[in-house]
Amino acid sequence: EAGVVQSPRYKIIEKKQPVAFWCNPISGHNTLYWYLQNLGQGPELLIRYENEEAVDDSQLPKDRFSAERLKGVDSTLKIQPAELGDSAVYLCASSLGRQGRVTQYFGPGTRLTVL
Amino acid sequence: GENVEQHPSTLSVQEGDSAVIKCTYSDSASNYFPWYKQELGKRPQLIIDIRSNVGEKKDQRIAVTLNKTAKHFSLHITETQPEDSAVYFCAARGSQGNLIFGKGTKLSVKP
Repeated sequence: EAGVVQSPRYKIIEKKQPVAFWCNPISGHNTLYWYLQNLGQGPELLIRYENEEAVDDSQLPKDRFSAERLKGVDSTLKIQPAELGDSAVYLCASSLGRQGRVTQYFGPGTRLTVL
Repeated sequence: GENVEQHPSTLSVQEGDSAVIKCTYSDSASNYFPWYKQELGKRPQLIIDIRSNVGEKKDQRIAVTLNKTAKHFSLHITETQPEDSAVYFCAARGSQGNLIFGKGTKLSVKP
């Protein structure tokens, strides 16, 4: 089975520019997560979707970050405008989310560098 | 809020020795505890997990133990090999259904 797919893998932008990341979860996985991973740290949840509904976005900085999962499959995470402190790896993960199957599978991440 | 503490932050062992990484969690309602291995520049990959109704689980050279009373869980790797070198993250699934990750342990296995 194909794993979680993310693009782009790397992105370099100047501060104040917008940027968007895309994630395609494992087929059939209804739960999708976006995480932020700073260097030397564990992943930190930004937002969790159950199908197309954002059920937990409490850690998403809503002044500049937004996310969508319109058809309950692919998802996009956007930052506008980007700041220097946003440089990090943005990880997407998915899980089946039903019948206690909570194992999360991660994508390769997008490494963002803000100059 | 919910918190997971992980120790040590770095661990260096000789090939063939055992490695132990320990985590504590704060949310007593946590019921699922996965361990992920992340090699440099790659995605975190699940290596083993344990649910709160089990005290120990083993998969070849890897084992995880859980002490619910003390809110501790540990990863044990026996007969370490150079390819075990990576960063290991523990996590706990809290009452909100989200995984809370530790800060990671960088394991180095010296040949």
